[in-house]
Amino acid sequence: EPEVTQTPSHQVTQMGQEVILRCVPISNHLYFYWYRQILGQKVEFLVSFYNNEISEKSEIFDDQFSVERPDGSNFTLKIRSTKLEDSAMYFCATSTTQTVTGELFFGEGSRLTVL
Amino acid sequence: DAKTTQPNSMESNEEEPVHLPCNHSTISGTDYIHWYRQLPSQGPEYVIHGLTSNVNNRMASLAIAEDRKSSTLILHRATLRDAAVYYCILRGTTQGGSEKLVFGKGTKLTVNP
Repeated sequence: EPEVTQTPSHQVTQMGQEVILRCVPISNHLYFYWYRQILGQKVEFLVSFYNNEISEKSEIFDDQFSVERPDGSNFTLKIRSTKLEDSAMYFCATSTTQTVTGELFFGEGSRLTVL
Repeated sequence: DAKTTQPNSMESNEEEPVHLPCNHSTISGTDYIHWYRQLPSQGPEYVIHGLTSNVNNRMASLAIAEDRKSSTLILHRATLRDAAVYYCILRGTTQGGSEKLVFGKGTKLTVNP
């Protein structure tokens, strides 16, 4: 069964460092999302992306965050200068459609620990 | 935020049916009811969705009240692998055309052997 692949599975970084999280979507999927989940809390929407543009972003997704799909395959989330509060599980999700009946496929997540 | 209300937790025994309730009294006519689950240390996983009629798939059944103000996810025979947090999510054009999923706290299902 096709799946969304995320790397790294766990990254430890120092506060202020840049981090790039990578996602390989399912091959025919065109809609991409990043979510995050702080330990013990809800899954929170960060950003949606389609046709090389951000479709929607949440208040969490400030100027420190960026997304791109540089090579037509990987979908990346960059955090420019990490803060302690960025420590969380980051999930990539992809979909073939943005309609309200569409199913989102989530990856296993990348755990980010900021020290 | 998610416009649904779910119990924080529920328990079931293995091989017994489980009925997970969800209230969505402010649902609009164009909102679809989606269920996702999140197994421990994994990403969310789609379970089922519906609009008005009851729905069945290989994972579960979804029973939707006639007035659509509530729904129930039914796992016909719970297994230990069904232990997860189950999220009931409304998804519709009333969210300003947004296609994103908005997760609430969900129901943590514990399955006892």
